[in-house]
Amino acid sequence: SAVISQKPSRDICQRGTSLTIQCQVDSQVTMMFWYRQQPGQSLTLIATANQGSEATYESGFVIDKFPISRPNLTFSTLTVSNMSPEDSSIYLCSVDTSGSRMGSYNEQFFGPGTRLTVL
Amino acid sequence: GENVEQHPSTLSVQEGDSAVIKCTYSDSASNYFPWYKQELGKRPQLIIDIRSNVGEKKDQRIAVTLNKTAKHFSLHITETQPEDSAVYFCAASNGNQFYFGTGTSLTVIP
Repeated sequence: SAVISQKPSRDICQRGTSLTIQCQVDSQVTMMFWYRQQPGQSLTLIATANQGSEATYESGFVIDKFPISRPNLTFSTLTVSNMSPEDSSIYLCSVDTSGSRMGSYNEQFFGPGTRLTVL
Repeated sequence: GENVEQHPSTLSVQEGDSAVIKCTYSDSASNYFPWYKQELGKRPQLIIDIRSNVGEKKDQRIAVTLNKTAKHFSLHITETQPEDSAVYFCAASNGNQFYFGTGTSLTVIP
């Protein structure tokens, strides 16, 4: 496993503003993922962030709304842009610590999450 | 793409009884099946996983079974305790990404 931290743990934001969430891991990992979890719901993958390449976004999520950075193997950020109340959710990063290449089954471990409320 | 279905959505058991949660998947390329436990306000925690070359795996009171032919896998918790109360998520992975089930809210009644 790995020690994963996220900042901020929670925030209350005004409509139309942007928030950047940071995810820090205590070891180098190849693959990092960003999820959204709305209250009482399952986990929805937003994008996969690999170091050295652009993030890969899932259907329904676009880079202009959720820009992601992955400057190195221990850190990533997710920005929620031009927020609306519908963006209120918990945002979680997760990491694959196995170091394996794409195409092999890997364990994912989650950060503590960022609870975002948009007024 | 993959489609993971999970049942039941809620489950209540008496302390000491067993609990079973079932998931089905659609993609025959899926080869890794983890289970996560999420307590209220906390992150999902990996509790057990199984890979496609194994039919059953056990870890103390928790076991997972996999039927590749039928494309379903199950989580079994025996001798349930109040601290087992949480939401449990299954997932299926083809090695590139995870597809999560919709979750089961388990309540263990003392």
